[in-house]
Amino acid sequence: AQSVAQPEDQVNVAEGNPLTVKCTYSVSGNPYLFWYVQYPNRGLQFLLKYITGDNLVKGSYGFEAEFNKSQTSFHLKKPSALVSDSALYFCAALQGGKLIFGQGTELSVKP
Amino acid sequence: GAGVSQSPRYKVAKRGQDVALRCDPISGHVSLFWYQQALGQGPEFLTYFQNEAQLDKSGLPSDRFFAERPEGSVSTLKIQRTQQEDSAVYLCASSYGEVSRGVQYFGAGTRLSVL
Repeated sequence: AQSVAQPEDQVNVAEGNPLTVKCTYSVSGNPYLFWYVQYPNRGLQFLLKYITGDNLVKGSYGFEAEFNKSQTSFHLKKPSALVSDSALYFCAALQGGKLIFGQGTELSVKP
Repeated sequence: GAGVSQSPRYKVAKRGQDVALRCDPISGHVSLFWYQQALGQGPEFLTYFQNEAQLDKSGLPSDRFFAERPEGSVSTLKIQRTQQEDSAVYLCASSYGEVSRGVQYFGAGTRLSVL
């Protein structure tokens, strides 16, 4: 079965430190992968996507993600975290037009 | 409009009532999607439309769930005889072109509580 996993329910980071939010996938064919962020009482906001090409994808708000085919991973990264980055992050894979989401990772950035 | 608009934002229903949730996609977007997000979980696919055609409804959990998009723009998700397990946030998304690779843009969702 197609699936996306986010192994960490919560990630805690100090402001200014680098952050990583992990994602692994199990989908057939060449994966199209996405990261979305969800703030309280708001919808999912698109951050970035991987379709093909360069394994390092740059997105909104200074976020980037690294696609690793051999490890079937697509980890989200940011060199220097901000308190305002605190939110719920979802990794997703596109299969047959539908997004398959991970269960989400709560990112908490403390001053 | 500038983004995907969903109404109502909150809906409380008594068990057994019918509800209708509305989605206004981004103007010009061909594809429209419905997802269900249970508390503490990632969204799960329900159904999608390309223009007025419902191309996939494999995620609808039962025949109590019905979606339509008669004119290829606004969509309505209807749930008949609501049950407590239907309580969730219902998210609508739209994308510009083909579903195969386009970014899906989401609305704020409708939070349904069934008492």
